[in-house]
Amino acid sequence: SAVISQKPSRDICQRGTSLTIQCQVDSQVTMMFWYRQQPGQSLTLIATANQGSEATYESGFVIDKFPISRPNLTFSTLTVSNMSPEDSSIYLCSVDSGPRQGGIDYGYTFGSGTRLTVV
Amino acid sequence: GQQLNQSPQSMFIQEGEDVSMNCTSSSIFNTWLWYKQDPGEGPVLLIALYKAGELTSNGRLTAQFGITRKDSFLNISASIPSDVGIYFCAGDSSNTGKLIFGQGTTLQVKP
Repeated sequence: SAVISQKPSRDICQRGTSLTIQCQVDSQVTMMFWYRQQPGQSLTLIATANQGSEATYESGFVIDKFPISRPNLTFSTLTVSNMSPEDSSIYLCSVDSGPRQGGIDYGYTFGSGTRLTVV
Repeated sequence: GQQLNQSPQSMFIQEGEDVSMNCTSSSIFNTWLWYKQDPGEGPVLLIALYKAGELTSNGRLTAQFGITRKDSFLNISASIPSDVGIYFCAGDSSNTGKLIFGQGTTLQVKP
């Protein structure tokens, strides 16, 4: 399965500022996704990072707040813009590294996340 | 929108006991996944299920893809202290890699 590196692993930011989170994969993957995990909650999909085109956002998430780049098949960034304390969450990058063969080794891999605290 | 209802919300068991948790939905999913998340880490994929009725094991873990494609369960046999963590079910309804997650089951194991 793909190995995902996320940077930074954690950060404390002032409200009103922006933070860019990087996601690097050790192999080319078709699909890259960004999720948010609010404190004590489950994971919610923010957007699909499309290579060579604009990201596709889920309901409740907008490009102005969470701009995403995907310049190639191994790298993506998520920016959390104009942050407020409500943005304090873990942000996770995920890839679908296929092929589908069942068991445990294929697809749907997550990075270790970026723990963001906004003060 | 689509939702996954995961239960129980939390479990506190004795080491050596078996554990069972499940997820249900009103919608059909093509893929069911089970993850474990430790504090400060991202979710780690435990088992992936791709076919209705499929029963798959990974060591002491066994998971099944419900025949109706609307549910899945995860069993952990002979629990050990390192099984402590939060377990999430997740489903992919459209084979796009986009996942819906359950609310999670927090497992605590008493040595």
